Amino acid sequence: DQQVKQNSPSLSVQEGRISILNCDYTNSMFDYFLWYKKYPAEGPTFLISISSIKDKNEDGRFTVFLNKSAKHLSLHIVPSQPGDSAVYFCAASALGYQLIWGAGTKLIIKP
Amino acid sequence: GAGVSQSPSNKVTEKGKDVELRCDPISGHTALYWYRQRLGQGLEFLIYFQGNSAPDKSGLPSDRFSAERTGESVSTLTIQRTQQEDSAVYLCASSLDARVYEQYFGPGTRLTVT
Repeated sequence: DQQVKQNSPSLSVQEGRISILNCDYTNSMFDYFLWYKKYPAEGPTFLISISSIKDKNEDGRFTVFLNKSAKHLSLHIVPSQPGDSAVYFCAASALGYQLIWGAGTKLIIKP
Repeated sequence: GAGVSQSPSNKVTEKGKDVELRCDPISGHTALYWYRQRLGQGLEFLIYFQGNSAPDKSGLPSDRFSAERTGESVSTLTIQRTQQEDSAVYLCASSLDARVYEQYFGPGTRLTVT
């Protein structure tokens, strides 16, 4: 039973354009959501997060949107840069410490 | 270094052997987590340590898996009688405490069971 789903295994975007990564969840008890970025042979690194009391959080080129009624969140990267090529994981928490992770989306930024 | 470190980075072992994986968390971080990532999948929670509290072992897949942590420092994950399905990347993460959702990860140990 996948509580956090990232339905696109990969996404290819032109450099300078917007990248939109999507994540769906099923557990209405989730109250905090995070996005992590992972390069090959490295551990995931924290990117941006959002609490369920908000519907948007912005940090530089990265914005996360949360639609609680649809149980959907998305990460927008504008403008996309070559260094953004990585695997992006969505994670959610309902218990405060245990994170439930999606399978990841591989983002490829084309020059 | 200031980050989470793990050793070894790669481990190849024969089926049936025991392996021990090590994690050094960020100094001052009281919470420590172990995850497993199989190829093409998300991170699978294994075990969680918080200070001197009893660990949350709810994610350990079988009794062949165990983990220890000495105080708020080093942790070891032990897999006994390894099986081919144990092949995965094992990731360790730490966070300031249980109330902080953002976790900092080590580079992982890639375990291959032949």
